[in-house]
Amino acid sequence: GESVGLHLPTLSVQEGDNSIINCAYSNSASDYFIWYKQESGKGPQFIIDIRSNMDKRQGQRVTVLLNKTVKHLSLQIAATQPGDSAVYFCAEITTNTGNQFYFGTGTSLTVIP
Amino acid sequence: SAVISQKPSRDICQRGTSLTIQCQVDSQVTMMFWYRQQPGQSLTLIATANQGSEATYESGFVIDKFPISRPNLTFSTLTVSNMSPEDSSIYLCSFGLGTDTQYFGPGTRLTVL
Repeated sequence: GESVGLHLPTLSVQEGDNSIINCAYSNSASDYFIWYKQESGKGPQFIIDIRSNMDKRQGQRVTVLLNKTVKHLSLQIAATQPGDSAVYFCAEITTNTGNQFYFGTGTSLTVIP
Repeated sequence: SAVISQKPSRDICQRGTSLTIQCQVDSQVTMMFWYRQQPGQSLTLIATANQGSEATYESGFVIDKFPISRPNLTFSTLTVSNMSPEDSSIYLCSFGLGTDTQYFGPGTRLTVL
């Protein structure tokens, strides 16, 4: 169901380190997943997506891992940069029931220079 | 890729008044969505707006409080009616482009005094 509002978990990493942001999703029928990045004062921006027939997808400096067995999604950011500081949301979508998006709680990432 | 804009970007309003938020996409899109994002929280879907039909509201949101217009394939408005301080939030519109992904506008930051 719909994400319940909570205070955002936070993650602080040193510049140049790798970051791992986790997301637990709720609906085993969800078959499409997206990670969004939201910088302060802006709307969410698409980063990377993955469909349920895959368990890993790589982009530029980002990798998404999907574990359907435990309904877990992670976003890995390599060589984290100060510009990566933002709130990261996962979204789960069930494409055969109207593509409704359910957003995770979000994680606030702070990169320490 | 399509560009999406919102007006106003922010507003401070008095209790009991109404505010209409505009969302403009530079391409024709079938589905547009309105979300609310309360401070430090995730996104909650208010309603789905398809051109030529009534908006579909999510549980907890009603047309009298959040009337929506969708006069054409590039534009939508959301009105927040009879506002109270609890309506202070960021309001975001998004669209789908026939794929499963949604793209978000920059948001309207509303403060109700």
